[in-house]
Amino acid sequence: DAGVTQSPTHLIKTRGQQVTLRCSPKSGHDTVSWYQQALGQGPQFIFQYYEEEERQRGNFPDRFSGHQFPNYSSELNVNALLLGDSALYLCASSSSYNEQFFGPGTRLTVL
Amino acid sequence: KQEVTQIPAALSVPEGENLVLNCSFTDSAIYNLQWFRQDPGKGLTSLLLIQSSQREQTSGRLNASLDKSSGRSTLYIAASQPGDSATYLCAVCGAGNMLTFGGGTRLMVKP
Repeated sequence: DAGVTQSPTHLIKTRGQQVTLRCSPKSGHDTVSWYQQALGQGPQFIFQYYEEEERQRGNFPDRFSGHQFPNYSSELNVNALLLGDSALYLCASSSSYNEQFFGPGTRLTVL
Repeated sequence: KQEVTQIPAALSVPEGENLVLNCSFTDSAIYNLQWFRQDPGKGLTSLLLIQSSQREQTSGRLNASLDKSSGRSTLYIAASQPGDSATYLCAVCGAGNMLTFGGGTRLMVKP
C-alpha cells in the first residue's frame, strides 16, 4: 500500500496564474480532505470530498475549488493566485470518522 | 467555532528526559483526537488516535490522554531521543469529519 500520494512535490507560479494539485488516497479510503499550511502554523481545513461531492468547506474563497473522481482521487484547483497562497498543501484520506492519513504535501510558491 | 491551543510552542530538552506536550480545545463535541508528527517541510505522520469514548492510547514510548469534558489532551514522550525532534501537532475531529489543528509544539532533543 503506497499510502496517500500527492503531486507535484513542488510548484512555482506567478500571481494571477492557476494551479492544479493532485491527490490519491490510501487504499480503501473514500473521503479526501485538503488542508493549507502556512509556514510555522498548523494546517487549515479547505474542503472535503466524499462520493464525488464537496461535503464540507472551510473559510476559503471560491478561488479554491476541487473535484473527486470515481476512483476517489482528488484535485485541488486555485485560480487567480495571490502571494498569500504560498503554502504547503496537504491531502488527507480517511474512511468515515476514522483516522486520517496525510500525504507528503505539495509546496506551492507564488512569485 | 472550535479552537485548539498547544502549549508550549517550543521546547528544548536533553536526551533521555520524559516530557509532556499539552493540547486544549474549546468545544467538547468531538469524535476523536489525533496527535501528529511533522518533520521540516514534510507531511504529517499520525502518531496516536483517541476516540471520544477513550481516555488514553499508547504506542511504544508515546502515551496520549484525553479529557473531553475539560477539553484537554496530553502527549507524553518517555526517554526522549534526538530522533524525536520534530513539530508535534494536535488535531480534533468534529462535525463533518473535519480536523481542527493547534499551532504545534516544536521539540528539540539535544544529544
